[in-house]
Amino acid sequence: DVKVTQSSRYLVKRTGEKVFLECVQDMDHENMFWYRQDPGLGLRLIYFSYDVKMKEKGDIPEGYSVSREKKERFSLILESASTNQTSMYLCASSFRQGGLGEQYFGPGTRLTVT
Amino acid sequence: GEDVEQSLFLSVREGDSSVINCTYTDSSSTYLYWYKQEPGAGLQLLTYIFSNMDMKQDQRLTVLLNKKDKHLSLRIADTQTGDSAIYFCAESPAGGSARQLTFGSGTQLTVLP
Repeated sequence: DVKVTQSSRYLVKRTGEKVFLECVQDMDHENMFWYRQDPGLGLRLIYFSYDVKMKEKGDIPEGYSVSREKKERFSLILESASTNQTSMYLCASSFRQGGLGEQYFGPGTRLTVT
Repeated sequence: GEDVEQSLFLSVREGDSSVINCTYTDSSSTYLYWYKQEPGAGLQLLTYIFSNMDMKQDQRLTVLLNKKDKHLSLRIADTQTGDSAIYFCAESPAGGSARQLTFGSGTQLTVLP
């Protein structure tokens, strides 16, 4: 079974702190994605990566950065957390070619910034 | 740009059928997907349909695709309380470096006893 794990299920941080969210997948997927999920807005893509050290901006990259030093790991960084970044963060991965193109999701990290 | 729309809420009685609707904009999508998100969890792929199909049935689930109207629906027969969840439709727009998916806002299905 594909497994996507995220470092924390719940996280509480203070405004201005630097926050690291980690995601690891064990299926040798080339593609990895970070989304945030807010009520009524669905999933919005923050950043994605299709290879090691490659990254591309999604729809809402402002206030975030990412790092992909190894194929299995994709990190989301909030350089200076703000209250409007309180949200559920979901990581996903997929194969770059072949198959259905479906994405596999981690359980999510609920981040609260106070 | 690509846009996927769903209604936000649906309530049904246990044992009834549920129909969740979705409209999408990218006619070049190869696959369209339905994902399910249970409370406190990530999304899981529920079913999918290839763009050259009109219908797909999988046990209690029926997916209907109307390419002309860009309309996708998910029917759940004999809905159970365990079906209460958020359901997302998603399309896979053509192009893109990483086969990004575009998700709808999700439909919260509540099954009443």
